[in-house]
Amino acid sequence: SAVISQKPSRDICQRGTSLTIQCQVDSQVTMMFWYRQQPGQSLTLIATANQGSEATYESGFVIDKFPISRPNLTFSTLTVSNMSPEDSSIYLCSSYLAGGYNEQFFGPGTRLTVL
Amino acid sequence: DQQVKQNSPSLSVQEGRISILNCDYTNSMFDYFLWYKKYPAEGPTFLISISSIKDKNEDGRFTVFLNKSAKHLSLHIVPSQPGDSAVYFCAASEGDKVIFGPGTSLSVIP
Repeated sequence: SAVISQKPSRDICQRGTSLTIQCQVDSQVTMMFWYRQQPGQSLTLIATANQGSEATYESGFVIDKFPISRPNLTFSTLTVSNMSPEDSSIYLCSSYLAGGYNEQFFGPGTRLTVL
Repeated sequence: DQQVKQNSPSLSVQEGRISILNCDYTNSMFDYFLWYKKYPAEGPTFLISISSIKDKNEDGRFTVFLNKSAKHLSLHIVPSQPGDSAVYFCAASEGDKVIFGPGTSLSVIP
């Protein structure tokens, strides 16, 4: 497996502001994923971040709200823009090693509270 | 519309006994199924998986059973240990998309 770290681990933000979450993998990976886990809910895929191309967003998520960067094979950022209390969630990044697509490994998550 | 369902939000089991966590799915095109375990303040960690062409996969204390005709899978943990107390997510994949269930919180009582 590989190790994923995320920064920040948690934050409390004001409505209307933006927060950028960083995700670092200790190995080079092709695909990185961003998930959201709202309180009491399951993990929902926001987007897939591929190095060298635009992120692919899932239904219900748009680039203007959740811009993603993927500057190299070990790093990605997710920005939560113009936040509202409904954006309060745990945000997780994940990836997988070659040959193990389905067996994703996850970062520890970023717990975001929007006031 | 949930494609992966875990109808029991929580489960309590005595230490040493068997824990059975259930999962149902609706999409017959799912070809791979996984279980993840999540402790508080940590990300989910992969536990065990099963391909749709199999009906059982075992790894130590953990066994996953798949009943394709019923679109049902279950995770058996035996014997259960207090360290197994966590939230367990069932997940299913079709191609490059993985869908997670809502999770079952397992408490193993010493």
